Amino acid sequence: DAKTTQPNSMESNEEEPVHLPCNHSTISGTDYIHWYRQLPSQGPEYVIHGLTSNVNNRMASLAIAEDRKSSTLILHRATLRDAAVYYCTLSGGSNYKLTFGKGTLLTVNP
Amino acid sequence: DTEVTQTPKHLVMGMTNKKSLKCEQHMGHRAMYWYKQKAKKPPELMFVYSYEKLSINESVPSRFSPECPNSSLLNLHLHALQPEDSALYLCASSQVIRGMWGASGNTIYFGEGSWLTVV
Repeated sequence: DAKTTQPNSMESNEEEPVHLPCNHSTISGTDYIHWYRQLPSQGPEYVIHGLTSNVNNRMASLAIAEDRKSSTLILHRATLRDAAVYYCTLSGGSNYKLTFGKGTLLTVNP
Repeated sequence: DTEVTQTPKHLVMGMTNKKSLKCEQHMGHRAMYWYKQKAKKPPELMFVYSYEKLSINESVPSRFSPECPNSSLLNLHLHALQPEDSALYLCASSQVIRGMWGASGNTIYFGEGSWLTVV
């Protein structure tokens, strides 16, 4: 399974943009890039996913490098409710099994 | 309705007990999953059911026994567990697209989890 590397933790201020990086240098051509987040005492929550092109949704934007070896999750205006562990994950193989990496703990300061 | 409901939220059991964790979804998803999450670690896949048939068992010890009685329900039967099995157990579900479960262009929905403590 291809692996992802993320910083252990990041800090942001409320209402500022946050860029969460992820390296996945061994990604294969058919692997999707997914981001999930996990708030304290809750199950993981889907944020966004993409294959090759940049993606936007109401929660965030996903910027994928041209060689697909890295990606960045962008939260445009962080709120206190965005404080969570953010997992960059790859899904691939015959059934697109979702395998979680270690994640980045995002702290948002008021 | 985009909910996956898990019961109980908390369970304390002895090493000789038999208990079950339950999971329910009404999104019409035909793939359901059990993940295990230890404190400060990422979730780890345990089992996958697709169309009520076991598709994946990630070498999970037999003291964990999954069951999928119908397309909306998923159980995890627990017997003779060890203290190191204490963890958050997460249920999830997703569509099956072009015969494939998992997260291709697909979202996996997670429940809030059942906190299990083995004493």
